[in-house]
Amino acid sequence: NAGVTQTPKFQVLKTGQSMTLQCAQDMNHNSMYWYRQDPGMGLRLIYYSASEGTTDKGEVPNGYNVSRLNKREFSLRLESAAPSQTSVYFCASTFGQPSGANVLTFGAGSRLTVL
Amino acid sequence: AQKITQTQPGMFVQEKEAVTLDCTYDTSDPSYGLFWYKQPSSGEMIFLIYQGSYDQQNATEGRYSLNFQKARKSANLVISASQLGDSAMYFCAMRGYNSGGSNYKLTFGKGTLLTVNP
Repeated sequence: NAGVTQTPKFQVLKTGQSMTLQCAQDMNHNSMYWYRQDPGMGLRLIYYSASEGTTDKGEVPNGYNVSRLNKREFSLRLESAAPSQTSVYFCASTFGQPSGANVLTFGAGSRLTVL
Repeated sequence: AQKITQTQPGMFVQEKEAVTLDCTYDTSDPSYGLFWYKQPSSGEMIFLIYQGSYDQQNATEGRYSLNFQKARKSANLVISASQLGDSAMYFCAMRGYNSGGSNYKLTFGKGTLLTVNP
C-alpha cells in the first residue's frame, strides 16, 4: 500500500530556478492538498483540489502553481524559487465528503532548500 | 475564517503519567470537525483522533481521548500512561462544514512538542 507518494524527498535549488513537486495517491481519493511546514508555524495550506478538475488557493499560495493532472496526481510548481520558499512540503489526500471525519493521509514530505 | 490556537510550544511529562495538550479554536461554521495529528522526529504525519462538533460523547482511541468543550471552544488531547514513543510534535486541526462549499480545508495549529521523560 503506497498511499501518498511525493517526489523528490530532498531538493536544493538556487534562487530563481524552477521545479515541480510531484504527488500521487493510490487510494481513489477525491481531494488533494499541498501544505508547507515551517518551524513554529505549523502546517499552512498552499493549494488544494477538492475534486478532479478543480483547484483553489489556500492560506499561502503566492509563488506557487498547481496542476491536478488526473484523479491520482497533484503537482506543485515553483516557477522562480525564493529563499522564503525553503520549507518542508507535504502532499495529502482524502475522500473529501462534505462532512464527517475526512482524515487526511499525508505523504512523507519533501524538504526543499533554496539558496 | 477558522483559527486554531495551541498555546503550549513545549510540554514535558514523566513516563506512565497522563498529559493534556491544549487546543482552542474559532469558527463561524455551523458544524465542524476537530482532529489531532502526531508528527514524530521522523517527520511523517499520523492521524490520532477525530471529534465532530455534534458528537455527543468525547472521542477516544486507545490511550488518546479528546476533551471536547464546545461552549469553551476547546478540544484538548489527553494522552494517558505516556510512553517514550509519545515524544513528538502534536498538531490540532479543524475542518469547517458549511453550505458555501469550502468544506475541504483543514486548518492546523502551530503544534506542541511533547517530551516524555523516563
